[in-house]
Amino acid sequence: DTAVSQTPKYLVTQMGNDKSIKCEQNLGHDTMYWYKQDSKKFLKIMFSYNNKELIINETVPNRFSPKSPDKAHLNLHINSLELGDSAVYFCASSFTGKNSPLHFGNGTRLTVT
Amino acid sequence: QKEVEQNSGPLSVPEGAIASLNCTYSDRGSQSFFWYRQYSGKSPELIMSIYSNGDKEDGRFTAQLNKASQYVSLLIRDSQPSDSATYLCAVNAGTASKLTFGTGTRLQVTL
Repeated sequence: DTAVSQTPKYLVTQMGNDKSIKCEQNLGHDTMYWYKQDSKKFLKIMFSYNNKELIINETVPNRFSPKSPDKAHLNLHINSLELGDSAVYFCASSFTGKNSPLHFGNGTRLTVT
Repeated sequence: QKEVEQNSGPLSVPEGAIASLNCTYSDRGSQSFFWYRQYSGKSPELIMSIYSNGDKEDGRFTAQLNKASQYVSLLIRDSQPSDSATYLCAVNAGTASKLTFGTGTRLQVTL
């Protein structure tokens, strides 16, 4: 199936831990994203990569570090997790261009206790 | 002022009625507009895209864009209970790879 797939689906961890989320797309897109959706359902962009190059880096704590080994993969590593990091993290991908819609992965629900 | 604004709802409409969802945006340079549907616990899925002023129809869905008024809307005809979801308006304000989302409008279609 052509899709954006991310793992894990659920992540429960304690404050201070480090965790990673992985994302892969087989849609042939050249741009990938991380979005964060908070408890109020507000979806906010964190990072965007185009052909492995970081092109959008919103105001995100530097505990969050994205990495794109190739244009089909985008990972997110989070250091020293805090309670406020609890949210659903969505990976997405698209073709380059203003008219290109995003295709979302199924999300990773991160709970920090 | 938020970049993309939507009424959070819930918007309640009876089955078979027309649901009208509205969105305003602040950046006059915005060029691409999208409507996504998100069921509870699921990821956003694209319903419609619109790029020029006027109406665009796809099945029961019609997107309407008025750039002068900085307004985009989504009409759902013959609303079904399966349409009950949160509808997210997304706007590309000119940067090639950045979509800004509204907070979404929760739609409830009642029997």
